[in-house]
Amino acid sequence: AQSVSQHNHHVILSEAASLELGCNYSYGGTVNLFWYVQYPGQHLQLLLKYFSGDPLVKGIKGFEAEFIKSKFSFNLRKPSVQWSDTAEYFCAVTGNKLVFGSGTILRVKS
Amino acid sequence: DTGVSQNPRHKITKRGQNVTFRCDPISEHNRLYWYRQTLGQGPEFLTYFQNEAQLEKSRLLSDRFSAERPKGSFSTLEIQRTEQGDSAMYLCASSSTGSKLGYTFGSGTRLTVV
Repeated sequence: AQSVSQHNHHVILSEAASLELGCNYSYGGTVNLFWYVQYPGQHLQLLLKYFSGDPLVKGIKGFEAEFIKSKFSFNLRKPSVQWSDTAEYFCAVTGNKLVFGSGTILRVKS
Repeated sequence: DTGVSQNPRHKITKRGQNVTFRCDPISEHNRLYWYRQTLGQGPEFLTYFQNEAQLEKSRLLSDRFSAERPKGSFSTLEIQRTEQGDSAMYLCASSSTGSKLGYTFGSGTRLTVV
């Protein structure tokens, strides 16, 4: 069965700081990897996804993630965060169903 | 069709009562999923359907929980004899088999058992 581990539960950054959120997964088959974001009071939204090909994927709002197969990792990055990026971020992996990590709450100070 | 719709948005119920939630997926999606999310946790998989067939159920889904998707369109999740530990956000998502678009989530139903 697949599993996902997110290392940071809470991250606080100042605006313009760079962001990297860690995600490691465990799954024996072909993986599809996702990052979802949940803004306060809103539903889960897809930020970016990896299925195959270029391991560096770009998503919405300037986010990107890199799939490193040898490290079973799919870390999320953004060069310069904004106050509006304050949200909870979930890494997820599919086998036959989507399995989520426990999430990272990001707070960006203006 | 603007997305996945869940009703009601909020439900407060007394312990021991039964509750039922509804999910209307994106019409062309043949797969439908139910998840539960509690504070500080990621969504936990409960069950999923492909068309009207329930293909997998999590061990989290006790005998008090039942889900149906009778015509392969909308789905209902019923919780019988609710307990305070059932208080959570119940999320529905849909997708198409083989799609690379990921899952589309609804806004959820927040259940509070008092």
